Amino acid sequence: DTAVSQTPKYLVTQMGNDKSIKCEQNLGHDTMYWYKQDSKKFLKIMFSYNNKELIINETVPNRFSPKSPDKAHLNLHINSLELGDSAVYFCASSQGQGVGKLFFGSGTQLSVL
Amino acid sequence: QQPVQSPQAVILREGEDAVINCSSSKALYSVHWYRQKHGEAPVFLMILLKGGEQKGHDKISASFNEKKQQSSLYLTASQLSYSGTYFCGTETDSWGKLQFGAGTQVVVTP
Repeated sequence: DTAVSQTPKYLVTQMGNDKSIKCEQNLGHDTMYWYKQDSKKFLKIMFSYNNKELIINETVPNRFSPKSPDKAHLNLHINSLELGDSAVYFCASSQGQGVGKLFFGSGTQLSVL
Repeated sequence: QQPVQSPQAVILREGEDAVINCSSSKALYSVHWYRQKHGEAPVFLMILLKGGEQKGHDKISASFNEKKQQSSLYLTASQLSYSGTYFCGTETDSWGKLQFGAGTQVVVTP
């Protein structure tokens, strides 16, 4: 049983397209996150949701829109993809909010051509 | 603001020790340590809360000096399985905003 699962694992697309990444956790956690890891391995937080409520919204372009239909799911939709969006996107979850062990999904490698 | 990690990389022979440092310019609420192997997701190692405690995970331990806003991760008697990139993450409050350092690549050779 995968604790935090995200799909797809690989996403190759053209500039200007719109794409979505889905994430689901079966740990019963209250908080979910999206992190972006660039080619230099910098792991940067993008968003966090606690019980479907947006808690953290870092300086991310409006083209990125997270959606949490319930506390077990957090999806990421990206409009008008740009070359600079190429990265690995990790979904994560933790129990409660703050000071919690993060459980990461296996990542989605996004390549924008 | 993200923490600063040093060194950027370290190469060890099996059985050797290493220290990875993490420092912040802001007062810290907690420090997290994660290890990421190539092509995989980061995996949690430990959390240290303010109070200067030291924690351990097998032969990997860490300390947190709250006054200096620094944490150190100690790899003792390294094993091949310790290879990977180690990230420290810091929180400055309890809102769950974890900022990661740039990572320290550790290579353990036979």
